[in-house]
Amino acid sequence: DVKVTQSSRYLVKRTGEKVFLECVQDMDHENMFWYRQDPGLGLRLIYFSYDVKMKEKGDIPEGYSVSREKKERFSLILESASTNQTSMYLCASSLRWWVGGRGEQYFGPGTRLTVT
Amino acid sequence: AQKVTQAQTEISVVEKEDVTLDCVYETRDTTYYLFWYKQPPSGELVFLIRRNSFDEQNEISGRYSWNFQKSTSSFNFTITASQVVDSAVYFCALSEPENDSNDYKLSFGAGTTVTVRA
Repeated sequence: DVKVTQSSRYLVKRTGEKVFLECVQDMDHENMFWYRQDPGLGLRLIYFSYDVKMKEKGDIPEGYSVSREKKERFSLILESASTNQTSMYLCASSLRWWVGGRGEQYFGPGTRLTVT
Repeated sequence: AQKVTQAQTEISVVEKEDVTLDCVYETRDTTYYLFWYKQPPSGELVFLIRRNSFDEQNEISGRYSWNFQKSTSSFNFTITASQVVDSAVYFCALSEPENDSNDYKLSFGAGTTVTVRA
């Protein structure tokens, strides 16, 4: 089974702090994703990466950055946390299309971040 | 524009009732994939099914069934004889090939919260 783990289930940070959310997958997937989930809005894509050191902006990248130094690890960084970044953050991974991936993503348990 | 619409925000049923979740999607591609995910209270999204655009056969898996109709751009999900453990948020998602990379991202609907009461 695909295993996607996230460094924290719950996190409380202060406004202005730099926040790191870590995600690790153990299935050698090329693609990794960061989403935020808010009530009534579903999942919105922040950033994704289809290879080491590669990254692409999703639908709502403002206020976030990412890092992918190793294939299995994808980090989301909030440079200066703000209260409107209080949310559930979900990491996911998937196979690339040429090795059989057709879009199904496998998710971690999520990190509920509160910025006060 | 919203690519995936789940018009039902919340559904509440009594155990053993059937429940149908609606999903309407929008795409210009001829090749695409549709998905349903379940998010129980624990928070982790669980992949339920993938359906490609060329396969309109309905699918049944235990108490779950899916009805894909290209004519109405819908991919509805029915839980038969619901149980308390079915209580969760259910997401419909659409995957379209990206132009350059031919890879797939997911567009999610807003989700439908299903509550099954004992």
